[in-house]
Amino acid sequence: EDQVTQSPEALRLQEGESSSLNCSYTVSGLRGLFWYRQDPGKGPEFLFTLYSAGEEKEKERLKATLTKKESFLHITAPKPEDSATYLCAVWQPNSGYALNFGKGTSLLVTP
Amino acid sequence: NAGVTQTPKFQVLKTGQSMTLQCAQDMNHNSMYWYRQDPGMGLRLIYYSASEGTTDKGEVPNGYNVSRLNKREFSLRLESAAPSQTSVYFCASRSAIRQAPNYGYTFGSGTRLTVV
Repeated sequence: EDQVTQSPEALRLQEGESSSLNCSYTVSGLRGLFWYRQDPGKGPEFLFTLYSAGEEKEKERLKATLTKKESFLHITAPKPEDSATYLCAVWQPNSGYALNFGKGTSLLVTP
Repeated sequence: NAGVTQTPKFQVLKTGQSMTLQCAQDMNHNSMYWYRQDPGMGLRLIYYSASEGTTDKGEVPNGYNVSRLNKREFSLRLESAAPSQTSVYFCASRSAIRQAPNYGYTFGSGTRLTVV
């Protein structure tokens, strides 16, 4: 059974303190791994899609990387506005290409 | 603005009542999905519609029914609401075109449902 596990569940950083979020997955034949950001009371907002091991993508202070077993979301010099829940998901080809989500990492960045 | 629209945004039901959650997208997407999100559980797939005229069960379909009314609209119905269905419900849609950064996989803003 395909599984997506995110760690840590919660992370508290001071402004400017860089860190990484982890997403490990067990799927038979990865077709794509997604990162989303979710703010309280809102729907998930797309950040990145990674398709193959070694791929990297960047957006402002965020950088996503992918290996054969896991993905990392690196946050460089975070700001309070980066506080949110970050969700990782993989394709489910057998379910109409729905997304199989991890439980998320809740990030709090304090001034 | 283009995207996925869900109604209502909030709803309180009594146990045993029925209701329909509405979802519409204006991006000409073929596939649509219903998820529920509970604290500590992440998002779980309830039903999906890979294309107009088809629907299939996801991970947690019990207690729900769906209708793909046309290409734009995908509704979720609770026939007899139970407290266990208290959750936040998200609708999403997806393009079949890989050139879109994420296949255009877009979520609505959610319906917060409480069953008492």
